[in-house]
Parts: sequence; C-alpha cells; structure tokens
Amino acid sequence: DTGVSQDPRHKITKRGQNVTFRCDPISEHNRLYWYRQTLGQGPEFLTYFQNEAQLEKSRLLSDRFSAERPKGSFSTLEIQRTEQGDSAMYLCASSSGTGSYEQYFGPGTRLTVT
Amino acid sequence: DQQVKQNSPSLSVQEGRISILNCDYTNSMFDYFLWYKKYPAEGPTFLISISSIKDKNEDGRFTVFLNKSAKHLSLHIVPSQPGDSAVYFCAAIHHQTGANNLFFGTGTRLTVIP
Repeated sequence: DTGVSQDPRHKITKRGQNVTFRCDPISEHNRLYWYRQTLGQGPEFLTYFQNEAQLEKSRLLSDRFSAERPKGSFSTLEIQRTEQGDSAMYLCASSSGTGSYEQYFGPGTRLTVT
Repeated sequence: DQQVKQNSPSLSVQEGRISILNCDYTNSMFDYFLWYKKYPAEGPTFLISISSIKDKNEDGRFTVFLNKSAKHLSLHIVPSQPGDSAVYFCAAIHHQTGANNLFFGTGTRLTVIP
C-alpha cells in the first residue's frame, strides 16, 4: 500500500522562475487536493480535483498558479514567475470520497524562492 | 479569518499522563472534524475524526470529544508516550454544503517528557 507521494521534496528557485510540482495520490482515490502551509500556520486549501475535473479553487490560487490532473491520476501544480511570498510547503492530499472525509497527505514539497 | 482555532501553541506532558489538546471553531456549518499529527519534514497524518452527530469517538489511546453548543472539540491521549511528541492540527469540513476542503487550525506542539 503506497501512500501519497510528491516530487520533488525540496525546490530552491530564483525569483521569477517557473516551478512545477508533481503529486501521485493513493491509487484508488478519485479526489485530490492541494494545500499550502507556511511557518506557524496550518495547511490552507488551494484547489480540489474530482477525477480530472478541477472543481474548486481558493482565492489564494492567483493567476500565476495552475494545477492539472490530466488523466485523473497524478496531478501537477505549476507556479509561474515565482515570488518570495510563494516560499512555503506545498502539500497534496487524496481521499476516496465514498462516505469518508479523511484526506491523506503526502510528505510535501518545500519551495524556497530566493 | 481563522475559522478553526487552536489557542495553545504548545503543551508539555509527562509520559504516562493524559494529554488534552483543544480546538475551537466559529463556523456552525462545520459537520465533520478531524485531528492530524505532523512530524517534522513529513505531511500531516490522519489520526481520528468525529461527525457532528456524535459527541465522542474513541480509537485506542485517542479520544475526540465534540461540544457543538460550545463549538469546541478536544483530543485526549492517554497514556501519553514520547512517540506522541509532534504538532497536532485540528481540522473541520462542512461537506453538506458540497465543500471539500479542510479548514485547519494553527496547530499545537505536544512534547511528551520521558
């Protein structure tokens, strides 16, 4: 039983560069979520997919952010023209959605924008 | 606007004693609550949950209590073990409205002293 995996675990980039993160959910889970966590805070919701459809986006998800889940399996989160304020831990979670509301999280990708 | 609040940033408990972590919420639409544990450099791990139609849920050493009238929930860990030392996050969801994202508190760092 493999859990949620994320790649890379760490990313250091210069301001203005584009970055892309990948998330592989638990295989039988059709729901996938992205969250962002900054120091001293709990995770904050960014976006949600059910299968390949992106059904919800937080207002935290500015125009520089885009997420995809092309075949309803893995997902990518891209940040264009990174800013120092984008430095955070980006967490992916998945859930089965069948009468269960527990979301299972990956280890996260820590982004540092210099 | 922090809809889920954990007002104690830290808690220290002797091994074998009870740990009580508290959480308050403001949104009366929340109908499902979860506790997550987080170790450094890892994603949050689901611990235990409770529906708003219940006032208690127990799983081994972990018990969650919900007081809807006070909009308050607590996590009891007994007996506490050194391996329980981690940051604990309270989370809530109002799935009846069709929302799918979790709202997290800011976490409480539990230290269990051997």
